Amino acid sequence: GQQLNQSPQSMFIQEGEDVSMNCTSSSIFNTWLWYKQDPGEGPVLLIALYKAGELTSNGRLTAQFGITRKDSFLNISASIPSDVGIYFCAGVQGAQKLVFGQGTRLTINP
Amino acid sequence: GAGVSQSPSNKVTEKGKDVELRCDPISGHTALYWYRQSLGQGLEFLIYFQGNSAPDKSGLPSDRFSAERTGGSVSTLTIQRTQQEDSAVYLCASSPYPSYEQYFGPGTRLTVT
Repeated sequence: GQQLNQSPQSMFIQEGEDVSMNCTSSSIFNTWLWYKQDPGEGPVLLIALYKAGELTSNGRLTAQFGITRKDSFLNISASIPSDVGIYFCAGVQGAQKLVFGQGTRLTINP
Repeated sequence: GAGVSQSPSNKVTEKGKDVELRCDPISGHTALYWYRQSLGQGLEFLIYFQGNSAPDKSGLPSDRFSAERTGGSVSTLTIQRTQQEDSAVYLCASSPYPSYEQYFGPGTRLTVT
């Protein structure tokens, strides 16, 4: 099925560094969502974006809905050990089905 | 309040057997979704229920897969004659219509031997 192109696939950073990841698509999306998944658990919603150009923050997390509606990015500032996990972007096109990216696996070295 | 719950958390079955996976959505959420996540992969849409409307089954990979939702709440995903390629984590999510924000359960890890 259709998937979003999410990059990078994995990141290895030092604690305290900032993180940036993005998703792109050839299709337009009405809504972008960013999720985090810890091992053995379901994805947890971090940020939802509803409007092209929208920039939304949730604590140390900031996400933007691209103007073209075909991309989105997520930034994490001053990373901490609990940020470790897999981050997924997801787009909504028409009906409420989500299309997911392949995920970005974040590893933090203390 | 209580989140989405799924049972069992783990299921090991022999090839060819049928399995049933259960999902209890968040109370009041009218939309319910099933996804499949293979090891190290993203989530693959399977089926979507919204209120009393006919479900969107467009993601079901074969006719061995079926799902029902009783009374607009609990849902059961059934896989008949399981194959080894069915091994994956099956995730359920619910959302309060018309929101697009889906809330996921912890998943059921299915292993077919």
